Amino acid sequence: GESVGLHLPTLSVQEGDNSIINCAYSNSASDYFIWYKQESGKGPQFIIDIRSNMDKRQGQRVTVLLNKTVKHLSLQIAATQPGDSAVYFCAENPVYNQGGKLIFGQGTELSVKP
Amino acid sequence: DTEVTQTPKHLVMGMTNKKSLKCEQHMGHRAMYWYKQKAKKPPELMFVYSYEKLSINESVPSRFSPECPNSSLLNLHLHALQPEDSALYLCASSQVTGAKDTQYFGPGTRLTVL
Repeated sequence: GESVGLHLPTLSVQEGDNSIINCAYSNSASDYFIWYKQESGKGPQFIIDIRSNMDKRQGQRVTVLLNKTVKHLSLQIAATQPGDSAVYFCAENPVYNQGGKLIFGQGTELSVKP
Repeated sequence: DTEVTQTPKHLVMGMTNKKSLKCEQHMGHRAMYWYKQKAKKPPELMFVYSYEKLSINESVPSRFSPECPNSSLLNLHLHALQPEDSALYLCASSQVTGAKDTQYFGPGTRLTVL
């Protein structure tokens, strides 16, 4: 299953399928990008990050892709599990930002059906 | 260890009460943050402390008063709050406030103002 971030804030997938969560960012000066997972009633949890000198970064079952040409970021989750159900936020950190102010996307809610 | 702790987990207060939220990290981070988060929305930055000095105040009403007693602790003092201040209050920390520093979040304090 695939979301388009702002335009489709909810993504429902079957357990075992791959999930793709998308994020469009606006600032071409952004140099560093982070994906957070937030489960109900908890704080955002760091999943994976990527710097602007990379196109792809892989973690455990997750891959982040960065397309600077179209200012697009995606998070791919392989073999999605019920424990992956959460809201996923992308965040960008502009290169000029020395104050620590992250720019968050609106979030995508991932729902995994058993 | 990337743990940020927050107390209390839940807080219910009246509009005339004074209460405080507490945040602690032992990662040696020199930047600490307060965020406010409404349901299904991204976190909104309130305050940033860098090396125990307030560096960003996002035009937060004076009924919210931050304090950073030392490099590991961050407090948020609350007084004369309004019902619309009910939200999840998140603390985060990062090594410094640079453009490539990951912010790690605590579990949050769920605040209800009656």
